[in-house]
Amino acid sequence: DTEVTQTPKHLVMGMTNKKSLKCEQHMGHRAMYWYKQKAKKPPELMFVYSYEKLSINESVPSRFSPECPNSSLLNLHLHALQPEDSALYLCASREGVDEKLFFGSGTQLSVL
Amino acid sequence: QQQVKQSPQSLIVQKGGISIINCAYENTAFDYFPWYQQFPGKGPALLIAIRPDVSEKKEGRFTISFNKSAKQFSLHIMDSQPGDSATYFCAASISNTDKLIFGTGTRLQVFP
Repeated sequence: DTEVTQTPKHLVMGMTNKKSLKCEQHMGHRAMYWYKQKAKKPPELMFVYSYEKLSINESVPSRFSPECPNSSLLNLHLHALQPEDSALYLCASREGVDEKLFFGSGTQLSVL
Repeated sequence: QQQVKQSPQSLIVQKGGISIINCAYENTAFDYFPWYQQFPGKGPALLIAIRPDVSEKKEGRFTISFNKSAKQFSLHIMDSQPGDSATYFCAASISNTDKLIFGTGTRLQVFP
């Protein structure tokens, strides 16, 4: 299984809602990533977990809260988002620091 | 210093032609340079990658050329096909870190 699975594929939420994005990989990869991608822009790194510990936080606002419950699962908890947070949220994983990053298909998030 | 500049922003090529996308970086600590391909509604997927100890790497129709002294690298797609129409991102990272920085992206359209 060489897939990174993200759910849901689409999400619409209001600014007062709380929602979560989920990411799963069964490749035994030790690092998992959250990227944010706006239309016609490159992916922007948000968080990296290495061996289930947060290793990189790119100064992301606290309304985004990552969680890594186990080595296969990565969540992104969303609360009090703004309309400008609407984007494609991509999860990725990889084994080694110089190895291929496997991306999921993303969650398209719309904040109303 | 952490940026990777990519050009052109968009590219139109006729079927069978050569597509060339260029990237430049400032941080000499970067030592791993992958190229990713992204189709609409999908996450990026690794195409090919290179390290600074070689000047060229070829995989099928895709070739990376690397100029360490100029701090530039490029992707050449030979015999371009309509199925190659996608957005291409160069990227760079530093060994022993999990941070992967993407270039600004090039939208390639190959017409029959």
